[in-house]
Amino acid sequence: GEDVEQSLFLSVREGDSSVINCTYTDSSSTYLYWYKQEPGAGLQLLTYIFSNMDMKQDQRLTVLLNKKDKHLSLRIADTQTGDSAIYFCACISGGYNKLIFGAGTRLAVHP
Amino acid sequence: ETGVTQSPTHLIKTRGQQVTLRCSSQSGHNTVSWYQQALGQGPQFIFQYYREEENGRGNFPPRFSGLQFPNYSSELNVNALELDDSALYLCASSQGREEGNEQFFGPGTRLTVL
Repeated sequence: GEDVEQSLFLSVREGDSSVINCTYTDSSSTYLYWYKQEPGAGLQLLTYIFSNMDMKQDQRLTVLLNKKDKHLSLRIADTQTGDSAIYFCACISGGYNKLIFGAGTRLAVHP
Repeated sequence: ETGVTQSPTHLIKTRGQQVTLRCSSQSGHNTVSWYQQALGQGPQFIFQYYREEENGRGNFPPRFSGLQFPNYSSELNVNALELDDSALYLCASSQGREEGNEQFFGPGTRLTVL
């Protein structure tokens, strides 16, 4: 079945870049997403990439997609303490608007 | 414009009981999806409703059921609660059921089953 995997934890120093990685199994996924979840809150869509693209930049966020390897990454430039949260990679699967999520990467930003 | 709202925010039930969770979709949205997020895990798709009909279902037993109303708000019902049903239940609404329609998430209902 469909599966999305992420590393569980990342710690970075404030001001450095963060890179969160994700792999997925469904090669027919058309859209791939990055969501952010802060404690006690729902999910906030950060950015997405369509499967025919290999890169998308949105202010401090850069998404890279390697469709051949089914690998997605999210780079956050100049990471701030406010970026501390859990980041979920998700892909569309099943031929309709069903999201398959990874387990999430907890990003900790320290001074 | 009001975002997606869910009620209640927290709920405590005992094994074997039944629960109903509610979701009001964002204005102009006709599609609602429900997800279960167990502690330390990513959300898992339960089912999706489009214009009052079930449009797809994840790997959940029949004791998980839902409804969508003419105003596109939705309910999730869980019968015969089990301890493993303890989770954050998220609902998301979108403008349509097609792939790529952005799903806007509510804050969730945290269900604890004792």
